[in-house]
Amino acid sequence: QKEVEQDPGPLSVPEGAIVSLNCTYSNSAFQYFMWYRQYSRKGPELLMYTYSSGNKEDGRFTAQVDKSSKYISLFIRDSQPSDSATYLCAMREAGSARQLTFGSGTQLTVLP
Amino acid sequence: KAGVTQTPRYLIKTRGQQVTLSCSPISGHRSVSWYQQTPGQGLQFLFEYFSETQRNKGNFPGRFSGRQFSNSRSEMNVSTLELGDSALYLCASSLGGTAEEQYFGPGTRLTVT
Repeated sequence: QKEVEQDPGPLSVPEGAIVSLNCTYSNSAFQYFMWYRQYSRKGPELLMYTYSSGNKEDGRFTAQVDKSSKYISLFIRDSQPSDSATYLCAMREAGSARQLTFGSGTQLTVLP
Repeated sequence: KAGVTQTPRYLIKTRGQQVTLSCSPISGHRSVSWYQQTPGQGLQFLFEYFSETQRNKGNFPGRFSGRQFSNSRSEMNVSTLELGDSALYLCASSLGGTAEEQYFGPGTRLTVT
């Protein structure tokens, strides 16, 4: 079993829809949680970065972390065709090491 | 501020050859991490360098190695290339402290024939 599980999709939604992306994990030592967006043939772009449990909002994006359930989510409001990409969750333990453990990614298509 | 740069962007090599990839981090960032991305395995951590020292290493064979220079630029080397080494190689930079975010470069796409 992988340390981080993510539904690969693909997920297709109409423009303006609310999108919910999720990851579960098994390592209780994970303390930092990230969401990256990756367009085809590009490097991952950091969208959201949160520490421990709670919510964080940035524009149309909201990240939620529930450490008790080992579950994280990314919500995209008013989705746009430009949001079409692969979304990767990533997490790491506390301490100085920078090693990120990634989910497999969810491919999202927003239809105009 | 310029982002993370990686060179070359594309590379084609033959089995058995070796390859060196380069990464220049964001100015002021002292930590550089390398990842391999393949369709089957996703993004996997290779190693991290901070102040010219390898600080952490993933579960890859010894054919994969790296180094970091005093200006924080990093190189990774893969010797005796195998077909399975075909992948997108990404580097990520961060300031190096406990809580800073990591920012990725565009990657080097390596094809081994």
